[in-house]
Parts: sequence; structure tokens; C-alpha cells
Amino acid sequence: TQLLEQSPQFLSIQEGENLTVYCNSSSVFSSLQWYRQEPGEGPVLLVTVVTGGEVKKLKRLTFQFGDARKDSSLHITAAQPGDTGLYLCAGTTSGTYKYIFGTGTRLKVLA
Amino acid sequence: DTEVTQTPKHLVMGMTNKKSLKCEQHMGHRAMYWYKQKAKKPPELMFVYSYEKLSINESVPSRFSPECPNSSLLNLHLHALQPEDSALYLCASSQVGRYYGYTFGSGTRLTVV
Repeated sequence: TQLLEQSPQFLSIQEGENLTVYCNSSSVFSSLQWYRQEPGEGPVLLVTVVTGGEVKKLKRLTFQFGDARKDSSLHITAAQPGDTGLYLCAGTTSGTYKYIFGTGTRLKVLA
Repeated sequence: DTEVTQTPKHLVMGMTNKKSLKCEQHMGHRAMYWYKQKAKKPPELMFVYSYEKLSINESVPSRFSPECPNSSLLNLHLHALQPEDSALYLCASSQVGRYYGYTFGSGTRLTVV
């Protein structure tokens, strides 16, 4: 079974703190996406990374794809209450071309 | 138009009812998906349509029946559901290929009583 493990599973931090969420697998991915989902809504696509070592920035969010394309990280600088939500990584495996979702990281940012 | 529209937003149905969930997109995406999501879990894939043809059925019970009438519409027909089928049902679309992320709808919150 191909898995995308995210860590931490839960994170509760104060407004203004920095945090990093990790997404790891033993499989190689052709591409990897990060989504944020709020309660009762569908996931919203934040970014797609394709090239090993790629770094993308979206305001206070920095996304990195591992050199071997087996892992990724999401770093949030100066978190705000609006960043609260479920963060999901997902990607297409290189071998089977299957789209897999990560196990999810639930973030709560307290004002 | 960069949205996936799902209707209804909420649905309560009895175990003997027949209902349908609807999904529409006008982004020109030729891949469309149905996902089921339980509380605090990631979405689970149910069906994939590619160029209006069913390409993946993840061993979903026959009480769920998908339909893709055209490249913009996706339906999920429901019949004789069980209480454990209560969940958030998400529709998504994407360009065909392995480098693209998905655009999700807001979902239908289904409760089976």
C-alpha cells in the first residue's frame, strides 16, 4: 500500500508562531499538491510542485519538494487564525499513476 | 469560471429513498471525480471519469451509481443507502495528466436515517 504520511497529525499554536508540516512517502511522485480544507467545505488547492528540490512561495506559505520527489514540506511564517484548517498533501505516484492523499494535519491557530 | 458546483449542499434521506447528487464545472477539465470523506479523515476516492468514460471504480457498492452525461456534468445516484454511508461527498475535476491538482466542490453533506 502506498502511503503519504503527514506529521504532525495535530498542531495548536499561537498567532505569530512559525510551523512546518511534513509529508513523507517511500514512493516517488510525479507531482505533489498541497490543499487546505475548512470544516464543511471541499479542499482548496494551494500549490503544485513537480521538480525535485523545487521551492514555491505563496505569501507566508513556503512549499518544498524533496530532491528525490518522495517528500514535501509546508512552512507557515507568522501563522494567523485564518490559517486554521486541515492541510492535505496529495500526489500522483510515478509508477502506478495513482493519486494519493496524505493522512492530514489539523492546524489550529489561536488569536 | 474556476469553480466546481455541487448540489444539494445538504441531503437527508431514508434508507429506501432514491436521490441524486449533482456536480458541474465549466473549466474544460476532462477528468472528474467522486470522493467520500468521513469526519477528520482525508477524502477517499470512489469513481474517476476521464473523457466522460468511467476509468476507475474503487470497489464501491452498487447502491452508488455514477453517471457522466457530458464533459461538464457528473451525477451520483444513490439508492438503498445505509446509515454508515453518511459523509461529505466531494466532486472534483482536473486536467487529464499526472501534473495537475484538483479543483473541488464544496461538497454535499449526506445523512442517511
